[in-house]
Amino acid sequence: AQSVSQHNHHVILSEAASLELGCNYSYGGTVNLFWYVQYPGQHLQLLLKYFSGDPLVKGIKGFEAEFIKSKFSFNLRKPSVQWSDTAEYFCAALPYNQGGKLIFGQGTELSVKP
Amino acid sequence: EAQVTQNPRYLITVTGKKLTVTCSQNMNHEYMSWYRQDPGLGLRQIYYSMNVEATDKGDVPEGYKVSRKEKRNFPLILESPSPNQTSLYFCASSLSPSGSTDTQYFGPGTRLTVL
Repeated sequence: AQSVSQHNHHVILSEAASLELGCNYSYGGTVNLFWYVQYPGQHLQLLLKYFSGDPLVKGIKGFEAEFIKSKFSFNLRKPSVQWSDTAEYFCAALPYNQGGKLIFGQGTELSVKP
Repeated sequence: EAQVTQNPRYLITVTGKKLTVTCSQNMNHEYMSWYRQDPGLGLRQIYYSMNVEATDKGDVPEGYKVSRKEKRNFPLILESPSPNQTSLYFCASSLSPSGSTDTQYFGPGTRLTVL
């Protein structure tokens, strides 16, 4: 079955620490990949996306992600987190020709201590 | 401003009382979809629509209905809500009809509690 797994449910970091959130998907065909962020009480916002081309994609607020096809992974990174990055992060896969269904991971809650 | 809007944002109701959550987008998007978000499960698709008068089931359609009479609107209908439908609901839309080749943009969410 198609699925997306996020490695960590809750990550706690201090400001200026580096961040890496793991994401693996299981789907053998063409797939587009996304990271969404949900700040407390707000809706999902797109952080970045990978459709094709350069596997290292840069998003908003200094986030980046690397698509590694051989590992079915799309990990999210940020060199130095800020308190304002406290939020829940969702990795999602969009398989081609599957009714437009975004398959979400369980989410990773990031808490950044000032 | 390009956006997806949902109403109401918060709703508390009782078992069996029919309700409708509206969703509207002003981006002329072809594709629209409903998801529900539950702790530890991420978001799961309820229904989707690739075009006016074209709707189909997602992963968790039981207990829900939708309609797509106009391109911009995609209401979610709960004919007889039950407590297991207590959840956070998101509407999303994207430009391409298949929904597979473009970014999906999300509405602000509707928090529903069924007592």
